[in-house]
Amino acid sequence: EVQLLESGGGLVQPGGSLRLSCAASGFTFSTYAMSWVRQAPGKGLEWVSAISGSGGGTYYADSVKGRFTISRDNSKNTLYLQMNSLRAEDTAVYYCAKARQLVRHGMDVWGQGTTVTVSS
Amino acid sequence: QSALTQPPSASGSPGQSVTISCTGTSSDIGGYNYVSWYQQHPGKAPKLMIYEVSERPSGVPDRFSGSKSGNTASLTVSGLQAEDEADYYCSSYAGSNNFEVFGGGTKLTVL
Repeated sequence: EVQLLESGGGLVQPGGSLRLSCAASGFTFSTYAMSWVRQAPGKGLEWVSAISGSGGGTYYADSVKGRFTISRDNSKNTLYLQMNSLRAEDTAVYYCAKARQLVRHGMDVWGQGTTVTVSS
Repeated sequence: QSALTQPPSASGSPGQSVTISCTGTSSDIGGYNYVSWYQQHPGKAPKLMIYEVSERPSGVPDRFSGSKSGNTASLTVSGLQAEDEADYYCSSYAGSNNFEVFGGGTKLTVL
């Protein structure tokens, strides 16, 4: 069964850091681009970041550029999101998602999400 | 990155058809045939319903269809069923700089 399982969310103070992980199973992880998408409480979906299958290409939304870093370890079938200089507006459920091929082709598998709360 | 524009709500009775629009620009929807639609039930993860404007993943009922004209994409749900009540989000590729952009979402109510 194709599955994504996020972890690493929690409560962090403004200015703090957090690293999210997404463990993948049931497919050849290195073949597919992956993304992080977030959803603030009561709000819509916001694309955050994406990474190519090899890890050589990374992409960021303007709202997180310079603060967040996406990476992957294909030997561990795991996707990461390092989040630094966190702000209250980063509070959201963070989903990892598998692309059908590239992200532009649609994201066909989603994790259950992990909640990040930025508050003092 | 500017969000795509969707109506906040749509509704229809069981068996009817409903169309949800998603308006962007020539830099996203109008420039590429990479529009996706996602369904999200409360408290659940999104589910891919349409990709590349009009393609359906396996397992998605053919009651769901997508199209595009100029800078506007549309999702049509035919033969509405109670389980179709959910939030629907469009997304589009927006080029190598802006990459991927979502719409604000449409809450579909089955009356």
